[in-house]
Amino acid sequence: AQSVTQLDSQVPVFEEAPVELRCNYSSSVSVYLFWYVQYPNQGLQLLLKYLSGSTLVKGINGFEAEFNKSQTSFHLRKPSVHISDTAEYFCAVRAPQGAQKLVFGQGTRLTINP
Amino acid sequence: DGGITQSPKYLFRKEGQNVTLSCEQNLNHDAMYWYRQDPGQGLRLIYYSQIVNDFQKGDIAEGYSVSREKKESFPLTVTSAQKNPTAFYLCASSTLQGGYTEAFFGQGTRLTVV
Repeated sequence: AQSVTQLDSQVPVFEEAPVELRCNYSSSVSVYLFWYVQYPNQGLQLLLKYLSGSTLVKGINGFEAEFNKSQTSFHLRKPSVHISDTAEYFCAVRAPQGAQKLVFGQGTRLTINP
Repeated sequence: DGGITQSPKYLFRKEGQNVTLSCEQNLNHDAMYWYRQDPGQGLRLIYYSQIVNDFQKGDIAEGYSVSREKKESFPLTVTSAQKNPTAFYLCASSTLQGGYTEAFFGQGTRLTVV
């Protein structure tokens, strides 16, 4: 079974500052990793995913994440945030084989202050 | 435009009543999923289906039922046995052709017990 821990429930930052949202996972097998974004009262949108290959993954809206197998982490980063990045961010994991279901972390609420 | 449509957006239920949440997709995806979202708990899987006329329980299936009579439809019924149904419900789909590596989400239904 897999599990995901997002280490910060809320992250406040100033506009144009860099941000890192932390995600650690636990799994006895290799995994696929995902970051999703949710704007208020909306569904989830995929930001980026790691399946294999290069450990640095670039996504939409200027976000990127780095897969670190030894630390079982998949932290999300953006060098300069905008007000429009205010949202909730979810890290998720899935095993490549077997049941095709995502396991989500608890979410991190990113608030951008002007 | 292809996508996932959930209806209604808001739903109010009296205690003891069953209610059905609709989820329709025109993406020709094989798999469909229902998640429940509560503040601070991320998303938890209720049921999922990979083919028509077949579905599996997720982590919190008690008090819920589903059907998959058509590929494009996956309705969720919240029964009176669900003791705490107030939550945000999200439907998602994915495709075998993409290795199920990306889940597309609907806009959600907010259910409130009154």
